[in-house]
Amino acid sequence: DADVTQTPRNRITKTGKRIMLECSQTKGHDRMYWYRQDPGLGLRLIYYSFDVKDINKGEISDGYSVSRQAQAKFSLSLESAIPNQTALYFCATSDGGVDTQYFGPGTRLTVL
Amino acid sequence: LAKTTQPISMDSYEGQEVNITCSHNNIATNDYITWYQQFPSQGPRFIIQGYKTKVTNEVASLFIPADRKSSTLSLPRVSLSDTAVYYCLVGDSMDSNYQLIWGAGTKLIIKP
Repeated sequence: DADVTQTPRNRITKTGKRIMLECSQTKGHDRMYWYRQDPGLGLRLIYYSFDVKDINKGEISDGYSVSRQAQAKFSLSLESAIPNQTALYFCATSDGGVDTQYFGPGTRLTVL
Repeated sequence: LAKTTQPISMDSYEGQEVNITCSHNNIATNDYITWYQQFPSQGPRFIIQGYKTKVTNEVASLFIPADRKSSTLSLPRVSLSDTAVYYCLVGDSMDSNYQLIWGAGTKLIIKP
């Protein structure tokens, strides 16, 4: 969905490096989410934000941090990347409740 | 903590009706059930959402029994382009932190 963009789309980094994944949305939604997807495991929620001043941990927040810079921007950081953080990362937005989430195209991250 | 269970994979043929069932035994009273479709290298896309009984839209139907401990996504007259992974999502607000629990997904393969 072009209304939700993620940068970069692909990234290869080394163990111990700090990396930031960025998400921007033009849908005007208050709620934003970060997920990771691993083969065979579906989507797992890392962090979510219901508004600019609200940040909540998801199912697997260890090793990650987020920043909600504005209603339209939600960044995910890996302070010290490790190989088991190699995954496909998705950002999503919603306009209320937990339903009808709109996803970005994903960022494929490889940690060597 | 709510958990969802779906079949790992299913296959069918063009023109057939396909039913995919998701079990969610600990669904909370106020939670809705939402189904998403995901193609390779893309983010999930909303298909349908319901609370109880039956919901129908232009692409699918959703059947939810009275106890709401399961739901069935019905795809009428499938085509090759319906080959994708299908996820059911229920929110779990029973914990102190609000959690979104996705099923592992059902890989649907449509054969000619």
